Amino acid sequence: GAVVSQHPSRVICKSGTSVKIECRSLDFQATTMFWYRQFPKQSLMLMATSNEGSKATYEQGVEKDKFLINHASLTLSTLTVTSAHPEDSSFYICSVHRDRILTDTQYFGPGTRLTVL
Amino acid sequence: DAKTTQPTSMDCAEGRAANLPCNHSTISGNEYVYWYRQIHSQGPQYIIHGLKNNETNEMASLIITEDRKSSTLILPHATLRDTAVYYCIVRDSNFGNEKLTFGTGTRLTIIP
Repeated sequence: GAVVSQHPSRVICKSGTSVKIECRSLDFQATTMFWYRQFPKQSLMLMATSNEGSKATYEQGVEKDKFLINHASLTLSTLTVTSAHPEDSSFYICSVHRDRILTDTQYFGPGTRLTVL
Repeated sequence: DAKTTQPTSMDCAEGRAANLPCNHSTISGNEYVYWYRQIHSQGPQYIIHGLKNNETNEMASLIITEDRKSSTLILPHATLRDTAVYYCIVRDSNFGNEKLTFGTGTRLTIIP
């Protein structure tokens, strides 16, 4: 498998503030990471694909100016929720893709629960 | 559009084999079948994947029908810790198509 960490695990913030979530690949370098969002009792929805050294690719309906993604190194991607509002409250999960030479599989972080008051 | 169809929920007695079915009748020749599970309030956990041959690892077995239109995930001796939502996902194996599309999955409950 692979070890993926997220920080923080839980965050509560006031409406209008920005929140940064970190995703780290601890045991291998990842050129591609993914960010998902999961609302209560729903499935995971892909938000964006984070590519090291280039701009992220966002899924349809996801505002790139609201959800800023930075993949500045092969082991770290960050998601910043800008000007957060209560409707942004959700479980945010990242994953890293381990290339096809090895397993061609995504491994997921433990998730970050964001609550916007 | 959903590429896979799974039962909404299933129960299995502790210690018995849990067999989780998945239909993927529109699967194409270069698409893999992946299985993940998600325990409450955690990130999904990779279980197993396959193309056309049956696969087995320390967690589970994956049986894919010869026509590849359906598959079954088998947990040989279910424990209470196997209670989770299980997702069957079809994914293109071509380079650049690594993203996963999650459906609603099967909520498996292991009964003591």
